[in-house]
Amino acid sequence: EVQLEESGGGPVKPGGSLRLSCVASGFTFSNYGMSWVRQAPGKGLEWVSSITSSSSYINYADSVRGRFTISRDNAKNSLYLQMNSLRAEDTAVYYCASAVAMDHGHEVWGQGTTVTVSS
Amino acid sequence: DIQVTQSPSFLSASVGDRVTITCRASQDISTYLTWYQQKPGKAPKRLIYASSTLQTGVPSRFSGSGSGTEFTLTISSLQPEDFATYYCQQLNSFPFTFGPGTKVDIK
Repeated sequence: EVQLEESGGGPVKPGGSLRLSCVASGFTFSNYGMSWVRQAPGKGLEWVSSITSSSSYINYADSVRGRFTISRDNAKNSLYLQMNSLRAEDTAVYYCASAVAMDHGHEVWGQGTTVTVSS
Repeated sequence: DIQVTQSPSFLSASVGDRVTITCRASQDISTYLTWYQQKPGKAPKRLIYASSTLQTGVPSRFSGSGSGTEFTLTISSLQPEDFATYYCQQLNSFPFTFGPGTKVDIK
């Protein structure tokens, strides 16, 4: 079964850091581009960051550039999001999602992990 | 950055109704547009990509069309399981912006 499973979310104080992980199974992870998408409580979807299959190209939303770092380890079938200098507005469910062709959007999504930034 | 708008933001419809949702991009994105369905507490599900290509396993009552700046998602006969929020996303260039969503509710 094709699956993505996120972990690493939780409560954190403003200015703090978290590292999200996403483990893939059931498909050849190294052939897929990957992204992080978030959804604040009661709000719509927001694209956060994407990385190509070989990590050659990485892009970030302006709202997270310089604070978040996306990376992947194809040997471990894993995607990561290092989040530093967290703000209240980063509070959201964070989804990882895969794309065989990035310009076709994301066909497989994880169940999401919740990040809550609050003092 | 490319801005993406959707209309309506909310619609109330009955089972069996034909429903059309519009997505507009602030500049030409060719056919680099994907539609997702999201139900409460669940991850989004891709319905259509490249403007009009139906995702495998998605019922044929869903269809997409458009190119350039204007796109539509049509549900030909609304079913109970279709009540959800629908999002479009442009994938022409980064940042890959989503539309604000259209919530389809039961009349």
